[in-house]
Amino acid sequence: DTAVSQTPKYLVTQMGNDKSIKCEQNLGHDTMYWYKQDSKKFLKIMFSYNNKELIINETVPNRFSPKSPDKAHLNLHINSLELGDSAVYFCASSPRTGITDTQYFGPGTRLTVL
Amino acid sequence: DAKTTQPPSMDCAEGRAANLPCNHSTISGNEYVYWYRQIHSQGPQYIIHGLKNNETNEMASLIITEDRKSSTLILPHATLRDTAVYYCIVRSSGGGADGLTFGKGTHLIIQP
Repeated sequence: DTAVSQTPKYLVTQMGNDKSIKCEQNLGHDTMYWYKQDSKKFLKIMFSYNNKELIINETVPNRFSPKSPDKAHLNLHINSLELGDSAVYFCASSPRTGITDTQYFGPGTRLTVL
Repeated sequence: DAKTTQPPSMDCAEGRAANLPCNHSTISGNEYVYWYRQIHSQGPQYIIHGLKNNETNEMASLIITEDRKSSTLILPHATLRDTAVYYCIVRSSGGGADGLTFGKGTHLIIQP
């Protein structure tokens, strides 16, 4: 069974559209994350959620909003898409906060904005 | 989190041990050394982590120097499937749900 899954795997859309990427983890983890990997392959944290509470929010435009309907899901909503949003987005989860732990990543969603 | 320095790329022959170095000279006492890798077009994958002592698991071994200023990830018998970008990350214990800070990593290429 897939531990961390994302849908869709590929997403092609026009500038100005609103889109969502879904993430689900079946590991029973408390914390979930969204990362962005740009064309230069740099991987950067965007958000993390712990028990439905936003823990960190790096300098990400407010067009991006994470939404967590329950502990197993953290979806990423993006409004008014721009060309620069084209990237691969990875969801991840980890067991608990407050201790060192490992993060488990999903397969990624490649977003292309035309 | 302390900064890490890794060579941008390395080659290794299939079947040989791959030794990937990482410098983290500004590491503090409560910071762990983590290794992740990213195979092409996949999400990053956890490999191993350690604080002071050497660690070994089914994937790799981690050797941390006594002064903790550097470490080496060892893949004992590299296969073609080990070709990936390997990231050395220094991360403090406790605290909030920090995201991982990825650097540029080392692109390890296993040669047949």
